[in-house]
Amino acid sequence: AQKITQTQPGMFVQEKEAVTLDCTYDTSDPSYGLFWYKQPSSGEMIFLIYQGSYDQQNATEGRYSLNFQKARKSANLVISASQLGDSAMYFCAMRGEDDKIIFGKGTRLHILP
Amino acid sequence: SQTIHQWPATLVQPVGSPLSLECTVEGTSNPNLYWYRQAAGRGLQLLFYSVGIGQISSEVPQNLSASRPQDRQFILSSKKLLLSDSGFYLCAWSVGGNIQYFGAGTRLSVL
Repeated sequence: AQKITQTQPGMFVQEKEAVTLDCTYDTSDPSYGLFWYKQPSSGEMIFLIYQGSYDQQNATEGRYSLNFQKARKSANLVISASQLGDSAMYFCAMRGEDDKIIFGKGTRLHILP
Repeated sequence: SQTIHQWPATLVQPVGSPLSLECTVEGTSNPNLYWYRQAAGRGLQLLFYSVGIGQISSEVPQNLSASRPQDRQFILSSKKLLLSDSGFYLCAWSVGGNIQYFGAGTRLSVL
């Protein structure tokens, strides 16, 4: 069975600091994918970054990077130089071999001016 | 380009009434389709997903059902709504289980 765990319900970070949002997962599938999404107060889901289980390098997209540690089954999101507009809910998600995609409970990030 | 349409944006329904939420995708073929529910301030709960026409996988046994009558159409239904069915319903699509693209969501209030 697949499982995604986000242990930080909320975080407060000073503007311009780097942020690490934790995500651990569990699956028996040898091939899987990991995603991060941002959900602002409007409710829309915004795709941020993707990491495949066979990707050798950590994924990066602008200020976002995914710290993929396969042996530890963790896929933490790192946001560099945080901005006020980064305040939102952040969800980690995983896709298994049957294409089922499940989400963690999310972390609410507050960026302080 | 691909787009996903989900409607209505908001819905207020009495307990015991039926429900039909529709989601359609344009600009892609044979997408995987997903229905999620999000309670206020909570995470996304996978309700149903489909990898092809008529193929529905149910993740949570409840009074909701889903159907995929056409390749790019995914419908969420209920014969009798419960108070606990209130929430934010999101439809999403992907190709091969890769990046998901979400609709704008439907806020359902059951009174």
